[in-house]
Amino acid sequence: ETGVTQTPRHLVMGMTNKKSLKCEQHLGHNAMYWYKQSAKKPLELMFVYNFKEQTENNSVPSRFSPECPNSSHLFLHLHTLQPEDSALYLCASSQDPGLSYNEQFFGPGTRLTVL
Amino acid sequence: AQSVAQPEDQVNVAEGNPLTVKCTYSVSGNPYLFWYVQYPNRGLQFLLKYITGDNLVKGSYGFEAEFNKSQTSFHLKKPSALVSDSALYFCAVRDGSNYQLIWGAGTKLIIKP
Repeated sequence: ETGVTQTPRHLVMGMTNKKSLKCEQHLGHNAMYWYKQSAKKPLELMFVYNFKEQTENNSVPSRFSPECPNSSHLFLHLHTLQPEDSALYLCASSQDPGLSYNEQFFGPGTRLTVL
Repeated sequence: AQSVAQPEDQVNVAEGNPLTVKCTYSVSGNPYLFWYVQYPNRGLQFLLKYITGDNLVKGSYGFEAEFNKSQTSFHLKKPSALVSDSALYFCAVRDGSNYQLIWGAGTKLIIKP
C-alpha cells in the first residue's frame, strides 16, 4: 500500500445527488492533489493543496468543490454532476511540491458513475 | 508548451523477452521525468525518476529507463518481461519552474506467457 487511502472505492450517483469523496494520507506530506482519470487520456489535475491552502484549480467546474481541513485529509464534494463526470478520481500526496523532483503517492481511486 | 507523448497505446511482449515502453517529452527547462505503473483497480505506483546525473535510472521491479537529452526521450525498459508486468504505464514530466506534472496518455503493456 502507498499510505494514501480513499473512500468510497465505488460510487454511483444520480445527477441531483450530493456526495463526497474522502482521501487520507499517512505519509506526513505537505501537498495533496485530486486527479480525474478517464480511459486513454492523460491524467487531469483538478486541484492542488499545499499546507492546506489551495494553490491550483485547473478550471474545474463548480459542481466539484474541494476541501482540505488539514495536511492529512482531502475531500471532494460533488453536486449536480453530469454523466461525463463518470471517471476514476485519484487522490495523491507529495512532500514539498515546490521541489520538482518529488514523486507523488497515489490512493487506489474512487470509481464514480453518474447516472 | 510542456507535453508528453507515449506513441503506443499498447505493447505486446512474450514472457522472457525484453520490453520497451516509449516516452518523449517537451519542456522549456531541465526535465524531471517519472514513470508510474497502474495495475487493474489500483492507483498509480511510482516506478522511477530521472533528476540529473547518470542517464540510466534503475527503479522498482527490475525496471530501468534511459534519459536521452538529444532525442528528448525517456524510454522504460526491462531485460526480461514477466506476465505480472502486464499493466498500464504512464510517463510524466515536470520542469524546474512548474510543480505540475504533465502526463502521457498511458501505454497498456501485455505480457503473454
